[in-house]
Parts: sequence; structure tokens; C-alpha cells
Amino acid sequence: RKEVEQDPGPFNVPEGATVAFNCTYSNSASQSFFWYRQDCRKEPKLLMSVYSSGNEDGRFTAQLNRASQYISLLIRDSKLSDSATYLCVVNYGGATNKLIFGTGTLLAVQP
Amino acid sequence: ETGVTQTPRHLVMGMTNKKSLKCEQHLGHNAMYWYKQSAKKPLELMFVYSLEERVENNSVPSRFSPECPNSSHLFLHLHTLQPEDSALYLCASSHRDRDFDEQFFGPGTRLTVL
Repeated sequence: RKEVEQDPGPFNVPEGATVAFNCTYSNSASQSFFWYRQDCRKEPKLLMSVYSSGNEDGRFTAQLNRASQYISLLIRDSKLSDSATYLCVVNYGGATNKLIFGTGTLLAVQP
Repeated sequence: ETGVTQTPRHLVMGMTNKKSLKCEQHLGHNAMYWYKQSAKKPLELMFVYSLEERVENNSVPSRFSPECPNSSHLFLHLHTLQPEDSALYLCASSHRDRDFDEQFFGPGTRLTVL
């Protein structure tokens, strides 16, 4: 089983649509969780951290279910500029601050 | 300069060459990382340096040799690479021991081994 598993997509959605990405992780000792965004041929950048209570940042909502080892990202009112690969990332914590990345989910927002 | 910088941005080398990738961070972080990103694969952590000490070596072949002379600089020395080593090599930095502190990535070096 992969340590962090995501649907690779692509998700092709029209502008204004709501889209949800899911992610599962295998290590129950994982301590912190993130969504990163990676544009084509660019480096990953932090989109948002995921807190146990769930958190929202504008059009983006992240949720965490520790019991099911499941993380989600909801994007409302999709914009063309949201087109990118969304990476689910899990931190095992400890001295090394080791991040484990999923393969990413490709989102293409169509006009 | 700000953030995390990497040089060169592109590198083509033969299997017998020796080259080095350089990373510099201007964020006052005390941990630095090398990742490898191959097509259709997740980012793979290669090495972690925390307070200039290597704390993680993720079963990386010895043809990759990291060096961290100080908390702002990180190198990856390459020798006798194989074509399957062609990938995007990303450097990142963060604060040590702060779980929710994000890792900032450099733009990467796109390496092609002929």
C-alpha cells in the first residue's frame, strides 16, 4: 500500500464548479498534514495546512479524518488559475520533519 | 535574493561526468532537504540536514553525495550517474522541530543523464 494515495485525475471541470480531492495515508502515527500546489514545471508551494478541526481559506476547505486516515480538499467556484497539480502531504514528525508526498491530482479548469 | 535558489536550473551530463547542484536559502531556516521528482512518481525525499547534520539518508545510491557546509547552503555532488537518475531535483528548507512550519522549495534543477 502506498504511504499517501491520491486519485491522479485528471479532473476536468468548468469554471465555477466545485471539485473535491481525496487522499488516504497509511501511517497512523502521522502528525501533520498539508495540501501543496504544483504548477506545470514549477516547484511545489504550500496551499494550506490541514488541522484536525478542518479549516477554510477563501474558496478552499480542508478536512482531516484521523480515524479513517483520510484528508480532503474542496475547491469552490473554480477559477482557470486553479489549474495545477494538488499534492497531498503527510508529515511523520520527529527530528527530520519528514514529508511524504502523494503523486498528486491534476486539475484542469476549463473556460 | 529571497527564498530558496538553486543552480543550475538545467543540467545535461554524461554518465562519466562529475557535477554539483547548489541550493541556497535566505529564510533563516535550520533544516534543508533534497528531493527527487521523476515523471509519474511522487516526490522522493533523498537527504535531510538539520542544524548542518545529516539526519536522514533515504537509501540513496552513493553516486549522490550531499554536503551542507552551513545552514544556508546545500550541495548535491553527482558522479557516474545513470540515465534513470534523470529527474527534477528539488531543494527545500524549513524550521526544525516545527511540524506545521512549511517547507519552502527552490525552483529545482532539471537533470538529464545521457
